[in-house]
Amino acid sequence: DADVTQTPRNRITKTGKRIMLECSQTKGHDRMYWYRQDPGLGLRLIYYSFDVKDINKGEISDGYSVSRQAQAKFSLSLESAIPNQTALYFCATSALHEGARSRELFFGEGSRLTVL
Amino acid sequence: DQQVKQNSPSLSVQEGRISILNCDYTNSMFDYFLWYKKYPAEGPTFLISISSIKDKNEDGRFTVFLNKSAKHLSLHIVPSQPGDSAVYFCAATFNTDKLIFGTGTRLQVFP
Repeated sequence: DADVTQTPRNRITKTGKRIMLECSQTKGHDRMYWYRQDPGLGLRLIYYSFDVKDINKGEISDGYSVSRQAQAKFSLSLESAIPNQTALYFCATSALHEGARSRELFFGEGSRLTVL
Repeated sequence: DQQVKQNSPSLSVQEGRISILNCDYTNSMFDYFLWYKKYPAEGPTFLISISSIKDKNEDGRFTVFLNKSAKHLSLHIVPSQPGDSAVYFCAATFNTDKLIFGTGTRLQVFP
Protein backbone atom coordinates (compact mmCIF):
# COMPACT_ATOMS: atom_id res chain seq x y z
CA ASP A 1 0.00 0.00 0.00
CA ALA A 2 1.17 3.50 -0.80
CA ASP A 3 2.37 5.65 2.10
CA VAL A 4 0.71 8.73 0.59
CA THR A 5 -2.69 8.05 -0.98
CA GLN A 6 -4.64 10.47 -3.12
CA THR A 7 -8.29 10.18 -4.15
CA PRO A 8 -9.65 10.41 -6.73
CA ARG A 9 -6.85 9.54 -9.16
CA ASN A 10 -8.76 10.98 -12.09
CA ARG A 11 -11.69 13.36 -12.20
CA ILE A 12 -13.49 15.19 -14.98
CA THR A 13 -15.81 17.98 -13.94
CA LYS A 14 -17.54 21.05 -15.30
CA THR A 15 -16.86 24.71 -14.76
CA GLY A 16 -18.42 26.01 -11.56
CA LYS A 17 -18.53 22.68 -9.75
CA ARG A 18 -17.03 22.16 -6.32
CA ILE A 19 -14.28 19.58 -6.22
CA MET A 20 -12.39 18.04 -3.32
CA LEU A 21 -9.15 16.12 -3.62
CA GLU A 22 -8.22 14.07 -0.61
CA CYS A 23 -4.86 12.96 0.70
CA SER A 24 -4.04 10.57 3.51
CA GLN A 25 -0.67 9.36 4.73
CA THR A 26 0.62 6.56 6.90
CA LYS A 27 4.15 7.92 7.30
CA GLY A 28 3.38 9.74 10.53
CA HIS A 29 4.76 12.99 9.11
CA ASP A 30 3.71 16.35 10.48
CA ARG A 31 4.06 18.33 7.27
CA MET A 32 1.76 18.02 4.27
CA TYR A 33 1.67 19.88 0.97
CA TRP A 34 -0.40 20.29 -2.17
CA TYR A 35 1.37 20.94 -5.47
CA ARG A 36 0.10 21.18 -9.02
CA GLN A 37 2.06 20.22 -12.09
CA ASP A 38 1.55 21.92 -15.43
CA PRO A 39 3.56 21.37 -18.62
CA GLY A 40 6.43 23.85 -18.78
CA LEU A 41 5.72 25.17 -15.30
CA GLY A 42 6.96 22.34 -13.13
CA LEU A 43 5.59 21.78 -9.65
CA ARG A 44 4.04 24.77 -7.96
CA LEU A 45 3.04 24.90 -4.30
CA ILE A 46 -0.64 25.61 -3.58
CA TYR A 47 -0.91 25.20 0.20
CA TYR A 48 1.09 23.59 2.96
CA SER A 49 0.53 22.64 6.57
CA PHE A 50 3.23 22.05 9.18
CA ASP A 51 0.79 20.63 11.72
CA VAL A 52 -2.96 20.28 12.25
CA LYS A 53 -3.41 23.89 13.36
CA ASP A 54 -1.04 25.41 10.83
CA ILE A 55 -2.15 26.25 7.26
CA ASN A 56 -0.10 28.38 4.88
CA LYS A 57 -0.61 29.69 1.39
CA GLY A 58 1.87 28.70 -1.29
CA GLU A 59 2.73 30.31 -4.61
CA ILE A 60 -0.68 29.84 -6.27
CA SER A 61 -3.39 29.59 -3.60
CA ASP A 62 -6.06 31.70 -5.32
CA GLY A 63 -9.13 29.62 -6.16
CA TYR A 64 -8.17 26.87 -3.72
CA SER A 65 -8.79 26.09 -0.06
CA VAL A 66 -7.51 23.32 2.19
CA SER A 67 -8.48 21.49 5.35
CA ARG A 68 -6.17 19.58 7.68
CA GLN A 69 -8.64 17.24 9.31
CA ALA A 70 -6.04 15.24 11.18
CA GLN A 71 -2.29 14.72 11.15
CA ALA A 72 -2.76 12.11 8.44
CA LYS A 73 -5.33 13.90 6.26
CA PHE A 74 -5.05 17.01 4.12
CA SER A 75 -7.71 17.85 1.55
CA LEU A 76 -7.69 20.39 -1.26
CA SER A 77 -10.91 22.04 -2.45
CA LEU A 78 -11.77 23.97 -5.56
CA GLU A 79 -14.90 25.89 -4.59
CA SER A 80 -15.85 26.76 -8.17
CA ALA A 81 -13.65 24.96 -10.67
CA ILE A 82 -12.46 26.73 -13.81
CA PRO A 83 -10.72 25.30 -16.90
CA ASN A 84 -7.28 26.70 -16.06
CA GLN A 85 -7.32 24.56 -12.93
CA THR A 86 -6.98 21.54 -15.19
CA ALA A 87 -3.72 19.99 -14.00
CA LEU A 88 -2.06 17.09 -12.23
CA TYR A 89 -2.24 17.58 -8.46
CA PHE A 90 0.19 16.05 -6.00
CA CYS A 91 0.01 15.69 -2.27
CA ALA A 92 3.29 15.32 -0.40
CA THR A 93 4.52 14.85 3.15
CA SER A 94 7.75 15.47 5.01
CA ALA A 95 9.08 14.90 8.48
CA LEU A 96 10.14 17.79 10.64
CA HIS A 97 13.26 16.11 11.90
CA GLU A 98 15.10 13.37 10.11
CA GLY A 99 18.57 14.86 10.07
CA ALA A 100 19.89 15.67 6.65
CA ARG A 101 16.89 14.12 4.95
CA SER A 102 14.37 16.34 6.77
CA ARG A 103 13.67 18.30 3.64
CA GLU A 104 12.80 15.27 1.52
CA LEU A 105 9.21 15.17 0.30
CA PHE A 106 7.27 11.96 -0.21
CA PHE A 107 4.69 12.30 -2.96
CA GLY A 108 1.42 10.57 -3.70
CA GLU A 109 0.74 9.22 -7.17
CA GLY A 110 -1.19 12.28 -8.26
CA SER A 111 -4.77 13.26 -9.06
CA ARG A 112 -5.49 14.28 -12.63
CA LEU A 113 -8.24 16.89 -12.75
CA THR A 114 -9.91 18.06 -15.94
CA VAL A 115 -12.29 21.02 -15.82
CA LEU A 116 -14.45 21.37 -18.92
CA ASP B 1 9.25 35.15 -10.43
CA GLN B 2 10.89 31.77 -10.99
CA GLN B 3 13.44 31.27 -8.21
CA VAL B 4 14.55 27.87 -9.52
CA LYS B 5 15.05 27.45 -13.25
CA GLN B 6 15.76 24.51 -15.51
CA ASN B 7 16.37 26.04 -18.90
CA SER B 8 16.52 22.80 -20.87
CA PRO B 9 13.06 21.24 -21.18
CA SER B 10 14.49 18.08 -22.69
CA LEU B 11 17.71 16.13 -23.12
CA SER B 12 18.48 13.08 -25.21
CA VAL B 13 21.52 10.92 -24.40
CA GLN B 14 22.85 7.63 -25.68
CA GLU B 15 22.98 4.70 -23.27
CA GLY B 16 26.33 4.48 -21.52
CA ARG B 17 27.16 8.15 -21.98
CA ILE B 18 26.96 10.92 -19.38
CA SER B 19 23.75 12.86 -18.79
CA ILE B 20 24.14 16.37 -17.38
CA LEU B 21 21.06 18.18 -16.15
CA ASN B 22 21.37 21.81 -15.11
CA CYS B 23 19.55 24.04 -12.67
CA ASP B 24 19.95 27.70 -11.77
CA TYR B 25 18.57 29.57 -8.80
CA THR B 26 18.24 33.20 -7.82
CA ASN B 27 17.77 33.16 -4.04
CA SER B 28 21.14 33.14 -2.26
CA MET B 29 19.40 32.16 0.98
CA PHE B 30 18.68 28.63 -0.25
CA ASP B 31 20.66 26.22 1.89
CA TYR B 32 19.65 22.82 0.58
CA PHE B 33 19.07 21.48 -2.90
CA LEU B 34 17.41 18.29 -4.06
CA TRP B 35 16.80 16.40 -7.28
CA TYR B 36 13.61 14.45 -7.89
CA LYS B 37 12.83 11.96 -10.60
CA LYS B 38 9.35 11.44 -12.03
CA TYR B 39 8.08 8.61 -14.19
CA PRO B 40 4.73 8.90 -16.04
CA ALA B 41 1.69 8.15 -13.87
CA GLU B 42 3.78 8.25 -10.70
CA GLY B 43 4.61 10.88 -8.12
CA PRO B 44 8.10 12.38 -8.00
CA THR B 45 10.64 10.46 -5.94
CA PHE B 46 13.72 11.76 -4.20
CA LEU B 47 17.01 11.09 -5.97
CA ILE B 48 19.88 12.99 -4.37
CA SER B 49 20.50 16.16 -2.38
CA ILE B 50 23.27 18.54 -1.40
CA SER B 51 23.77 21.04 1.37
CA SER B 52 24.98 24.51 0.53
CA ILE B 53 28.11 23.90 2.63
CA LYS B 54 29.26 21.27 0.12
CA ASP B 55 30.11 21.43 -3.55
CA LYS B 56 29.65 17.79 -4.48
CA ASN B 57 27.63 14.80 -3.39
CA GLU B 58 27.83 11.40 -4.99
CA ASP B 59 25.53 8.39 -4.79
CA GLY B 60 26.35 5.57 -7.14
CA ARG B 61 25.86 6.70 -10.72
CA PHE B 62 24.45 10.05 -9.59
CA THR B 63 26.52 13.09 -8.62
CA VAL B 64 25.26 16.56 -7.84
CA PHE B 65 27.57 19.55 -8.13
CA LEU B 66 26.88 22.92 -6.54
CA ASN B 67 28.49 26.18 -7.62
CA LYS B 68 27.28 28.76 -5.12
CA SER B 69 29.02 31.72 -6.72
CA ALA B 70 27.22 31.00 -9.98
CA LYS B 71 24.00 29.92 -8.23
CA HIS B 72 24.09 26.79 -10.33
CA LEU B 73 23.76 23.09 -9.68
CA SER B 74 23.99 20.13 -11.96
CA LEU B 75 23.13 16.46 -11.84
CA HIS B 76 25.47 14.02 -13.57
CA ILE B 77 24.36 10.49 -14.40
CA VAL B 78 27.15 8.14 -15.44
CA PRO B 79 26.65 5.82 -17.19
CA SER B 80 23.16 6.64 -18.39
CA GLN B 81 20.71 3.77 -18.66
CA PRO B 82 17.34 3.49 -20.43
CA GLY B 83 15.63 3.24 -17.03
CA ASP B 84 16.88 6.74 -16.26
CA SER B 85 14.44 8.12 -18.85
CA ALA B 86 12.15 10.35 -16.80
CA VAL B 87 11.46 13.96 -15.91
CA TYR B 88 13.97 15.41 -13.44
CA PHE B 89 13.10 18.30 -11.15
CA CYS B 90 15.56 20.28 -9.11
CA ALA B 91 14.30 21.89 -5.92
CA ALA B 92 15.65 24.28 -3.33
CA THR B 93 14.75 25.22 0.21
CA PHE B 94 15.78 27.55 3.00
CA ASN B 95 15.85 26.65 6.67
CA THR B 96 13.66 23.52 6.28
CA ASP B 97 10.88 25.59 4.77
CA LYS B 98 8.85 24.52 1.75
CA LEU B 99 10.57 23.28 -1.41
CA ILE B 100 10.61 25.42 -4.53
CA PHE B 101 10.77 23.33 -7.69
CA GLY B 102 12.15 24.02 -11.12
CA THR B 103 10.21 23.43 -14.33
CA GLY B 104 11.72 20.01 -15.01
CA THR B 105 13.90 18.44 -17.71
CA ARG B 106 12.73 15.39 -19.62
CA LEU B 107 15.64 12.98 -20.08
CA GLN B 108 15.50 10.32 -22.74
CA VAL B 109 18.21 7.67 -22.82
CA PHE B 110 18.26 5.77 -26.09
CA PRO B 111 20.09 2.51 -26.91
